[in-house]
Amino acid sequence: DTEVTQTPKHLVMGMTNKKSLKCEQHMGHRAMYWYKQKAKKPPELMFVYSYEKLSINESVPSRFSPECPNSSLLNLHLHALQPEDSALYLCASSPTAFYEAFFGQGTRLTVV
Amino acid sequence: QQPVQSPQAVILREGEDAVINCSSSKALYSVHWYRQKHGEAPVFLMILLKGGEQKGHDKISASFNEKKQQSSLYLTASQLSYSGTYFCGTEKGAQKLVFGQGTRLTINP
Repeated sequence: DTEVTQTPKHLVMGMTNKKSLKCEQHMGHRAMYWYKQKAKKPPELMFVYSYEKLSINESVPSRFSPECPNSSLLNLHLHALQPEDSALYLCASSPTAFYEAFFGQGTRLTVV
Repeated sequence: QQPVQSPQAVILREGEDAVINCSSSKALYSVHWYRQKHGEAPVFLMILLKGGEQKGHDKISASFNEKKQQSSLYLTASQLSYSGTYFCGTEKGAQKLVFGQGTRLTINP
């Protein structure tokens, strides 16, 4: 299984809502990432988990809260988002940090 | 610091060759190449870990010139399936991969 599975695929939420994005991999990878991608732009790194511990937070606003419950799962909790947070959120994993990364299909988030 | 890719866009006919360049103003420790088709996830192509390294599979290859702080991706005899946006990524410190702005490649029949 060489897949990274993200749910949901699409999400529309209001600015007062709380929602979570989920990411799952069963490749035994020990590094997992959240990226944000705006249209026609490259993916921007948000968070890196290495061996289930948060190793990098790229100065992401606190309304985004990552969680790694175990080595296969990665969540991104969303609260009080702004319309400018609308984007494609990509999860990725790699055997160790920054080797070949496998990306999920992403969650397309719209904040209204 | 974000690497700079050139050109920003390329339009080719099937069977033609293309070169995509990636350069950095800072020392490069590794270069990663990904392709993203419209509406899909980025897909890993290759990683080059040291200067002078060259890699390739099928008709896609890459080189890494550490001294010049640049890498090039070569697509030979392009196929329709090569269409997409190509990103190079460079490491900004430990574990931080920063992508270039992308090169949009369109292959026409």
